[in-house]
Amino acid sequence: NAGVTQTPKFQVLKTGQSMTLQCAQDMNHEYMSWYRQDPGMGLRLIHYSVGEGTTAKGEVPDGYNVSRSTTEDFPLRLLSAAPSQTSVYFCASSLLAGISGNTIYFGEGSWLTVV
Amino acid sequence: AQSVAQPEDQVNVAEGNPLTVKCTYSVSGNPYLFWYVQYPNRGLQFLLKYITGDNLVKGSYGFEAEFNKSQTSFHLKKPSALVSDSALYFCAVRAPFNKLIFGAGTRLAVHP
Repeated sequence: NAGVTQTPKFQVLKTGQSMTLQCAQDMNHEYMSWYRQDPGMGLRLIHYSVGEGTTAKGEVPDGYNVSRSTTEDFPLRLLSAAPSQTSVYFCASSLLAGISGNTIYFGEGSWLTVV
Repeated sequence: AQSVAQPEDQVNVAEGNPLTVKCTYSVSGNPYLFWYVQYPNRGLQFLLKYITGDNLVKGSYGFEAEFNKSQTSFHLKKPSALVSDSALYFCAVRAPFNKLIFGAGTRLAVHP
């Protein structure tokens, strides 16, 4: 049972480069999301999806794109990397039925450095 | 708007002593509260949650949390700390559209 799988785990980018962080879950969860973690700020929501074909902006969406073409996958794209996007990125998923009580499960994280 | 506060950046405890990691929240309506733990270079692991019912919630690894509505708190506790409990702990509250609002995190250091 893999749960939520993120790749790559570590990545160094140059300013202006683009890249995609991959996220896949095998739990048939409708809800998927991306958070970024910065020191002293906890985790902040970037984008989320409540099902295949849907996406919505979170708290800090600028500079990022997402798509949800399948239930399992929710890639996060950095369009033109900036040093301010140096962070740890977490993908998360959960069921939607009984929404408020459902546990959200997190991947192992992707450490991104933009130089 | 929902918010979570973890007033301590770091908590230091001797092994074998009880530990408490504090969390207070602000929500409109019924709170749905969560604790997660993060070990170095790892993802967030779910510890426990409060949805409704008994104010004392038991979770993984011997942790428990006490929900106090009048004080709007959800403190994480463990009767006897282990060195292996040293990690970063996050309190979170459920917000609309299935979002989680996180506190800034508290680093727990358990000394032998």
